[in-house]
Amino acid sequence: EADIYQTPRYLVIGTGKKITLECSQTMGHDKMYWYQQDPGMELHLIHYSYGVNSTEKGDLSSESTVSRIRTEHFPLTLESARPSHTSQYLCASSEIERDNSPLHFGNGTRLTVT
Amino acid sequence: QQQVKQSPQSLIVQKGGIPIINCAYENTAFDYFPWYQQFPGKGPALLIAIRPDVSEKKEGRFTISFNKSAKQFSLHIMDSQPGDSATYFCAASIAGTSGSRLTFGEGTQLTVNP
Repeated sequence: EADIYQTPRYLVIGTGKKITLECSQTMGHDKMYWYQQDPGMELHLIHYSYGVNSTEKGDLSSESTVSRIRTEHFPLTLESARPSHTSQYLCASSEIERDNSPLHFGNGTRLTVT
Repeated sequence: QQQVKQSPQSLIVQKGGIPIINCAYENTAFDYFPWYQQFPGKGPALLIAIRPDVSEKKEGRFTISFNKSAKQFSLHIMDSQPGDSATYFCAASIAGTSGSRLTFGEGTQLTVNP
């Protein structure tokens, strides 16, 4: 049962369009993350946030941007989509109080840019 | 730079078999090693985790074996079932750090045939 929700589940869009992938969690977690998952399965961290108004870039360079205006909401935006952005995008959250608290993932958004 | 190497990339076993997935790490500062399980169309979920002060941890049919001197750890699934068919990710981080410092392996796609 997911307490972290991603919409849309699937998105097919043309090159040059602006898109926003939505992510919301109901667990009150301070930490939130965006991962990009290649068809070859590997997970790459592209953005993370430790709380409201806190955002950082991850290990993998990405042309996307994120915002964290509310604790429960962590949207990812691509200003101008390109075919190279085709991938699965996974949002996750975790507690800030516990050491090594597990990541809770959403079910992902599969993005295809034509 | 891949700090956690996972093998094999894919694995097929018969029901009741014992699949073994191996991971090796480079950073000796890592001291928390979780495994995540991902079913098709879902986000990964924490399966089991170990710290290096023990050499083995069991939770149900899942066992982590840890070899600190070799900087290797592995996941064993006893009496595997078709429902265990999924992608498995090993990961590593430094205790006390956040999920933003979780380094994932490349993933292993496990198929358990009936």
